[in-house]
Amino acid sequence: EVQLVQSGAEVKKPGESLKISCKGSGYSFTSYWIGWVRQMPGKGLEWMGIIYPGDSDTRYSPSFQGQVTISADKSISTAYLQWSSLKASDTAMYYCARTLTIGEGLDYWGQGTLVTVSS
Amino acid sequence: QSALTQPASVSGSPGQSITISCTGTSSDVGGYNYVSWYQQHPGKAPKLMIYEVSNRPSGVPDRFSGSKSGNTASLTISGLQAEDEADYYCSSYTSSSTLHVVFGGGTKLTVL
Repeated sequence: EVQLVQSGAEVKKPGESLKISCKGSGYSFTSYWIGWVRQMPGKGLEWMGIIYPGDSDTRYSPSFQGQVTISADKSISTAYLQWSSLKASDTAMYYCARTLTIGEGLDYWGQGTLVTVSS
Repeated sequence: QSALTQPASVSGSPGQSITISCTGTSSDVGGYNYVSWYQQHPGKAPKLMIYEVSNRPSGVPDRFSGSKSGNTASLTISGLQAEDEADYYCSSYTSSSTLHVVFGGGTKLTVL
C-alpha cells in the first residue's frame, strides 16, 4: 500500500528554524517526484516546489524560491521541507504528494503537517 | 503567475449534474494535456479525481468526468450525491517561469 506519512504538528516562534518530513512507503521512492503544497487557513492550494529523490533534482515556485529548502534522503525514503527563519505568515497546513511526472497529477498525498508560527 | 480561474461556488441537488470550469492560458491549460482535479473535504488532504484532462484514477466513480476546450478545462459531476459536497481544485502544468504547476483558486460545491 502506497503511503506518505508526514511529521506531526509544530508550534514555533518567529525567527526559529524548522524541518518537516514526508516518509514514503509501498513504492519505489526514487522513481516518483515528491511535491510540496501549502494551504493557508481557509485558503486554497499553492504549489511550492518539487524534488526527484532519485537524483535530488529540485524545482521551486518563484513565490517560494529562497524562502524554503526542499531536500530528500533516499536512503530512508524521506523528503523534507525546511525554513531557516519562520514568519507568522508561514502558518499553514503543508502537504507532500507524489507524482510520476511533473504536472501529471498528485496521486497520493500525505496527511498534512500543520505549522503554527506565533510569538 | 496567477492562479487558474475557478468559480468560487457551485451548487446542485442530489441526482443533478454540475460543471466546474477552470480557465487558464495557452501557457498552461491550453498548452498541455496535464490538467488535474482534486477533491478536498474539510480537514482532509486533497484527493486526485481526474488527471491528464479526462482520466480517472482507480476507485474514482465514473460520475466524475473531465474535459478541455481551448484554455478552459471542466469537471463534470453527474448524479450528484451528498458526499460530493467538498472543495474542488484544478491544476495544470505550466511553462511559465519555473513554476511548473499552478492551481486554481478552488470551488466550493454545495449539494442542496
